Amino acid sequence: RKEVEQDPGPFNVPEGATVAFNCTYSNSASQSFFWYRQDCRKEPKLLMSVYSSGNEDGRFTAQLNRASQYISLLIRDSKLSDSATYLCVVNIGRGGKLIFGQGTELSVKP
Amino acid sequence: NAGVTQTPKFRILKIGQSMTLQCTQDMNHNYMYWYRQDPGMGLKLIYYSVGAGITDKGEVPNGYNVSRSTTEDFPLRLELAAPSQTSVYFCASSYDSFVTGGGRTDTQYFGPGTRLTVL
Repeated sequence: RKEVEQDPGPFNVPEGATVAFNCTYSNSASQSFFWYRQDCRKEPKLLMSVYSSGNEDGRFTAQLNRASQYISLLIRDSKLSDSATYLCVVNIGRGGKLIFGQGTELSVKP
Repeated sequence: NAGVTQTPKFRILKIGQSMTLQCTQDMNHNYMYWYRQDPGMGLKLIYYSVGAGITDKGEVPNGYNVSRSTTEDFPLRLELAAPSQTSVYFCASSYDSFVTGGGRTDTQYFGPGTRLTVL
């Protein structure tokens, strides 16, 4: 079983759609959770951290379920500029060792 | 403040050649990391460093070496290049990575990447 597993993509959605990405992780000792965004052939950039209580940043909402070892990202009112690959990332402890999922590609069409 | 810089941007190597990928950060970060990303895959940690003089292996260290003589620099060395090392290499840094009670880990900032092809 992969340490971090994401929905296989790609997701092709029209502008204005709501899209949800799912991610599961295998290590119950995992301590921090993130969503990173990666544009084509560019470096990953932090989109948002994921907190136990859930958190929202504008059109983006992240949720964490520790019992189920599940993380989600919801994007509302999709924009063309949201087209990218979204990486689910887990930190299993001190040392900053991040484990990346394989990514889910999103393509938002006009 | 340039952030994390990497050189070169692109490189083609022949099998058996060696090279050093350079990484420099100007944010006075303690932690630095090297990742590789193969097509359609997530990033895999090669080596990391928690401070000058201290390095440790990540998930896929074989075929690579690192050193950390200064806070700013974290070069990655390939001694005998193999086709399996064809990949995009990203360097990253963060101020700290200590996690307290599930709180946020410091953000990792990535360099623009080095695209390496071994033929």
